[in-house]
This record gives sequence, C-alpha cells and structure tokens, in this order.
Amino acid sequence: DSGVTQTPKHLITATGQRVTLRCSPRSGDLSVYWYQQSLDQGLQFLIQYYNGEERAKGNILERFSAQQFPDLHSELNLSSLELGDSALYFCASSVRGGARNTGELFFGEGSRLTVL
Amino acid sequence: AQSVTQPDIHITVSEGASLELRCNYSYGATPYLFWYVQSPGQGLQLLLKYFSGDTLVQGIKGFEAEFKRSQSSFNLRKPSVHWSDAAEYFCAVGPTSGTYKYIFGTGTRLKVLA
Repeated sequence: DSGVTQTPKHLITATGQRVTLRCSPRSGDLSVYWYQQSLDQGLQFLIQYYNGEERAKGNILERFSAQQFPDLHSELNLSSLELGDSALYFCASSVRGGARNTGELFFGEGSRLTVL
Repeated sequence: AQSVTQPDIHITVSEGASLELRCNYSYGATPYLFWYVQSPGQGLQLLLKYFSGDTLVQGIKGFEAEFKRSQSSFNLRKPSVHWSDAAEYFCAVGPTSGTYKYIFGTGTRLKVLA
C-alpha cells in the first residue's frame, strides 16, 4: 500500500460526458502528479501541483483540468469525453516538488476510465 | 530535454534464469534514476533509485541496477527470475534543474516461462 488513494477505481461513461477523478496523497506529501496510461501512448505526464499551486504541465488536453485543494487532495476533471480518453489515470505524490526533487513518486492504484 | 529509452518492449525468460532490462537516458548532468514495476491492474511500485554515490544500487525483490555514466545507462538486473516477477517495468528520470517532471520510459513487459 503506497498510501496514495484514488477514487473511483473504475468508471464507465459515455462520450461527451464529464468525470472527476480524485486523489489523496500520502500523509505529508505536498506534491501531486497526474499521469495517463494508455496502450498506445504509454505513461504520459499530465500535470503537477505543489502545495496547491500548479508547477508543471505535460501533455494535458484543454478539455482536462486539475486542482489541488488546501487539504492537499487533488481532482482531475475530464470533460467532453472522447473514446480516445479511455485509459488508466494515475495519481502520484512526493514529499517535495521543486526541481531537483530527490524524492521518489508514490503511485496510487489508478482510476480506469472507459468511454463508450 | 531529458528523455528515457527502454529499447526492449517485451522480454521472455525462463524461471530461474538471469534478467537484464535496459534503460538509457539523455541528460547532461547526473540524473536521478528510478526503476518501477507494475503488476497487472496495479499501480507502479518503486524497485530502486539512484541519486549519487555507489553506482550499483540494490532494490527490493532481489533486483539491482547499475548506473554507467559513460554509457548513459541504468540497467536493471536480477540473478534468478521468479514467476511472480512477470510484470511491466518502467525506468524513469527524476526532475532536473529547470523542470519538475519525472520522465518515464515506455516500459518493458516481462514474461516468465515456467
């Protein structure tokens, strides 16, 4: 158990819909990272938050957004869903979040999104 | 920009055989390097990490990795593979000056034959 909690574990929805994925980082971790894992794209970095502030952006679509709340949990919002958004979405946390962060990432078990 | 290459998409070994998974990185200075393992339906679990010092790093589950600066490599090894090692393995580079991103390789899927 990594200490990172993600909900829901599975989600099935239709194209055009909107979903919210939730992540609770390990106790004491300030930084949250979101990754998308699909068969054809591998593990893609989406976005990082550190203590409530956005720190880095990766290949995140404009239809997707995220935030980190004062209690440090994070939500990833996916809207206008398309078939191609079907994937496993991982949240990871680390203690620090600055460049030259020497800490490793701790991953949750992921949220599997299926768009029909 | 930093990058990670795992040249082998699939590897099959027999149980009890030795294993080496390759990882090459691109970064000017000494990077922070990681190996993660992902079992089916699970999240990624850290096997080992290299920050500095001894270039041979020991990890969990009997794995080790060696950092070779001259070859820009961080290959993962295990002397005797168990059937439970069947999984996908990811090499990653940690944040560097000017970036906060962890960059992952495309993964190597390991199959173990009984």
